[in-house]
Amino acid sequence: KAGVTQTPRYLIKTRGQQVTLSCSPISGHRSVSWYQQTPGQGLQFLFEYFSETQRNKGNFPGRFSGRQFSNSRSEMNVSTLELGDSALYLCASSPGGPNEAFFGQGTRLTVV
Amino acid sequence: GENVEQHPSTLSVQEGDSAVIKCTYSDSASNYFPWYKQELGKRPQLIIDIRSNVGEKKDQRIAVTLNKTAKHFSLHITETQPEDSAVYFCAATLPGGYSTLTFGKGTMLLVSP
Repeated sequence: KAGVTQTPRYLIKTRGQQVTLSCSPISGHRSVSWYQQTPGQGLQFLFEYFSETQRNKGNFPGRFSGRQFSNSRSEMNVSTLELGDSALYLCASSPGGPNEAFFGQGTRLTVV
Repeated sequence: GENVEQHPSTLSVQEGDSAVIKCTYSDSASNYFPWYKQELGKRPQLIIDIRSNVGEKKDQRIAVTLNKTAKHFSLHITETQPEDSAVYFCAATLPGGYSTLTFGKGTMLLVSP
């Protein structure tokens, strides 16, 4: 069974640009959640999607957005990038509800 | 919303010693508490989890205990080995059927040979 796949693995962007990250969950999993990981703040929740609907959103500005497609693949977008957006972005796949979440390897975003 | 506090932030032990990491949560309705291990440069991976209707769970050298009254749960690792060195995160799910995880800040465990 294939694991959670995130693309791209690494990105370097300039302040003010926008970026789109992609996550393909484990086959059959309908829930995808996104997290931002930084050394200072740890793992912070961004969004949770289930069956194409955003079920929950973390405390991030509106520059952070996401969506989920009918095949459960998810994308997140960050507009007007700031230096502070540099982080590892992780997505997690689960069947839904309070169950084990499987993480992708992450996308390392560097904003210069 | 849920808030999870984790202590200590770093823990150094000798090989063969035991290690204990403690977490507290704020929402008494939270019902699922996983622990993740993240090695340097790798993704977080689940090592053990516990649900709110269980007080303790063991898997070989790893155990987790849950005290719902105190809103407190702990990870216990016995007979530590150098390969246990990693960052460990506790988490709690939001009640209401969500998959959303609220994480503690993490504990860096260093096991010296």
